[in-house]
Amino acid sequence: AQKVTQAQTEISVVEKEDVTLDCVYETRDTTYYLFWYKQPPSGELVFLIRRNSFDEQNEISGRYSWNFQKSTSSFNFTITASQVVDSAVYFCALVPGGGATNKLIFGTGTLLAVQP
Amino acid sequence: NAGVTQTPKFRVLKTGQSMTLLCAQDMNHEYMYWYRQDPGMGLRLIHYSVGEGTTAKGEVPDGYNVSRLKKQNFLLGLESAAPSQTSVYFCASSYHPGNEQFFGPGTRLTVL
Repeated sequence: AQKVTQAQTEISVVEKEDVTLDCVYETRDTTYYLFWYKQPPSGELVFLIRRNSFDEQNEISGRYSWNFQKSTSSFNFTITASQVVDSAVYFCALVPGGGATNKLIFGTGTLLAVQP
Repeated sequence: NAGVTQTPKFRVLKTGQSMTLLCAQDMNHEYMYWYRQDPGMGLRLIHYSVGEGTTAKGEVPDGYNVSRLKKQNFLLGLESAAPSQTSVYFCASSYHPGNEQFFGPGTRLTVL
């Protein structure tokens, strides 16, 4: 089975708190891609990061960081010192088979609410 | 560069009516996709295209048809709308399936 699980449906934090959004994926393929997208209240989908299965290096971009662990099939996303503008739905997604299936499989999303 | 555009932004239909959603991209991408987004279910792939003149079924294709007559356009049709098709529809395009997908702003469709 190929799927993405985001077990946290909603998270609420107070501004300046750190928050981690969990993503667990399933695939038997050795080559695959993982993504995170942000959907703010305005509704558009914004690309955040892409990772291929051969690159387990963690990545940091400003207040955002991503932890990719193949051993646990997880690709977690951490926001440091959260801000109200981070309030959004965050989707983790998987492209299995190196793209051969032409499909992007989304998790159900995590709604992050950052309170001032 | 407009990126990916969708027409219309909002639409209300009565059960049984038909309509076509238009998606256009100006990035010369081969791959284009139609998704629907429903509460609590993330985005689900309806149909996709790997190039001009090609289309293929996704996860939830029933009740929809698509056409890709020009590389830059991908049309999604509903021949006989049903209330279960009330949703937000997103179009996307990409250079390759393993690359980032660029999304349009979405179309909110209500079927009464």
